[in-house]
Amino acid sequence: AQSVTQPDIHITVSEGASLELRCNYSYGATPYLFWYVQSPGQGLQLLLKYFSGDTLVQGIKGFEAEFKRSQSSFNLRKPSVHWSDAAEYFCAVGADSSASKIIFGSGTRLSIRP
Amino acid sequence: ETGVTQSPTHLIKTRGQQVTLRCSSQSGHNTVSWYQQALGQGPQFIFQYYREEENGRGNFPPRFSGLQFPNYSSELNVNALELDDSALYLCASSPESGGVYEQYFGPGTRLTVT
Repeated sequence: AQSVTQPDIHITVSEGASLELRCNYSYGATPYLFWYVQSPGQGLQLLLKYFSGDTLVQGIKGFEAEFKRSQSSFNLRKPSVHWSDAAEYFCAVGADSSASKIIFGSGTRLSIRP
Repeated sequence: ETGVTQSPTHLIKTRGQQVTLRCSSQSGHNTVSWYQQALGQGPQFIFQYYREEENGRGNFPPRFSGLQFPNYSSELNVNALELDDSALYLCASSPESGGVYEQYFGPGTRLTVT
């Protein structure tokens, strides 16, 4: 069955430090992959997506993610975090073009240490 | 360009009651998807509407129903409310005819069932 795992429930990093949020998916074929960010009390904002092609994708706010088929991973990275990056981050996977098959992970809460 | 809007922002209902949540899609978008996000979890797909027809449904009972209007706005109706229906309900619109392509989320409606 299709699934998404975000193994880190909560991560704290210092402002200016690098960040990597982990995401592993389970699906047999090439998935559609997404990272969303949610600030407290807000809806979700799309950071980046992978459909095909270059496995390193660039997103908004200086984020990037790399699709690694061999590891079934789609980790999110940022070289230097800002206090405004504190939020909840969700990885999501779509099995095909049907929205009924999009699955979100349980999220990783990012805190920034001054 | 107006983004996705949802109303009301917050709602308190009693178990057994019925509720209607509303969503206005982003300009030019003809597809609306609804998600339920319980506290501390990722969003779960409820259903999607395209051109006023249901176009995919997640694992939710029939007491969750919806409508899409000619102007592409949408309603989510929940009958016979249960305590577990307490959640943030998110609406997302997209320009594609169904699919997991870029979805733009509204701020959500926080429903509390007592």
